[in-house]
Amino acid sequence: NAGVTQTPKFQVLKTGQSMTLQCAQDMNHNSMYWYRQDPGMGLRLIYYSASEGTTDKGEVPNGYNVSRLNKREFSLRLESAAPSQTSVYFCASRGPPGRSRSYEQYFGPGTRLTVT
Amino acid sequence: AQSVTQLGSHVSVSEGALVLLRCNYSSSVPPYLFWYVQYPNQGLQLLLKYTTGATLVKGINGFEAEFKKSETSFHLTKPSAHMSDAAEYFCAVSGQNAGGTSYGKLTFGQGTILTVHP
Repeated sequence: NAGVTQTPKFQVLKTGQSMTLQCAQDMNHNSMYWYRQDPGMGLRLIYYSASEGTTDKGEVPNGYNVSRLNKREFSLRLESAAPSQTSVYFCASRGPPGRSRSYEQYFGPGTRLTVT
Repeated sequence: AQSVTQLGSHVSVSEGALVLLRCNYSSSVPPYLFWYVQYPNQGLQLLLKYTTGATLVKGINGFEAEFKKSETSFHLTKPSAHMSDAAEYFCAVSGQNAGGTSYGKLTFGQGTILTVHP
């Protein structure tokens, strides 16, 4: 199993350009998440998808859109990139609770995005 | 609502010394608590988790953490630091609803960078 994969690994955009960050998981997980990581701020939730066909806003959704294409894939789109969106973006997925009813998330390797 | 505070954005220890990374949380419902580690230019890897039951939990690489409800704390410890422990560590909380299952969304602390000196 590859786990959670993200493409691209690095991207440089000019202000106003658009792009889509791709995420896929092969663990048959229902829930998927997009976070951004900024120095000294930990990870902040942008959007999440509790199950295929549903998406909801997280803590910092402004300037982003998401698509849950199918159970495996969850993409994040920047329609008009701004320098404030320079960050490292992580996708994560979460499996069923199991006997312990724990909900740990599994993370991808991240996409480093710079907006100039 | 839930929040996490990690005391100390940078912690420096000598190789072989005790590692103590502090985490305090607030949650309006019983929490699930997690510690993740991030090595440079990598994603996050789960170190350990507390769900229910035993309050002292053991994780990978010799780390452990103790859930103290009265202190709303979940500090991470390791008796003897190794150079390979140098990384950034994140504490996270996820709330449970009345049915005992988690909402699933994680709230992270701001992270603590651990440096290990020879």
